[in-house]
Amino acid sequence: GQQVMQIPQYQHVQEGEDFTTYCNSSTTLSNIQWYKQRPGGHPVFLIQLVKSGEVKKQKRLTFQFGEAKKNSSLHITATQTTDVGTYFCAGPEYSSASKIIFGSGTRLSIRP
Amino acid sequence: DTAVSQTPKYLVTQMGNDKSIKCEQNLGHDTMYWYKQDSKKFLKIMFSYNNKELIINETVPNRFSPKSPDKAHLNLHINSLELGDSAVYFCASSQDLGRQGIFDEQFFGPGTRLTVL
Repeated sequence: GQQVMQIPQYQHVQEGEDFTTYCNSSTTLSNIQWYKQRPGGHPVFLIQLVKSGEVKKQKRLTFQFGEAKKNSSLHITATQTTDVGTYFCAGPEYSSASKIIFGSGTRLSIRP
Repeated sequence: DTAVSQTPKYLVTQMGNDKSIKCEQNLGHDTMYWYKQDSKKFLKIMFSYNNKELIINETVPNRFSPKSPDKAHLNLHINSLELGDSAVYFCASSQDLGRQGIFDEQFFGPGTRLTVL
């Protein structure tokens, strides 16, 4: 079946370093969403990408959607302790337009 | 002004018991979901409802039965609880199902941590 894989599974960085998580789908995605879940919290929507090659920025966060719409990335510049959490990508399942599949998530921890 | 609320926040119970988790959203959304998040943080959809109609029913044991009395509520009842049911259950809502595979953003509740002993 369709899979949405994220790498890395874990990332431990020094505060101030950059961080990137990658999301790869086995099939073309019509759109992709990104969510952040703080430790002990719930997923919170960050952004949605729809167009091939799309790039969107939110302050220190940069989101990209691949040209083939099969991969996406989230890059954080100069991480801060508030960035700690698990980042998920999510996209529609190929066989069911009404079902969204979440990636496996990347857990980011930061050394102050 | 909680957008999506769930009760209870924590639920500790014995194997074999029956329990319910309640979810309410005050966003006026048409679509609601139940997700299960296991200890490895994998987030899997269980059910989704649109205007009280069941849209997605993933391969979950039929011990799990969702009920949507109205658009603003989606409850989850679990019969004969098993150890493997221990997880965090999230309710979520979105404006609609989306169109042509473009999904509306989802708003998640705070989660219910279920522990089965």
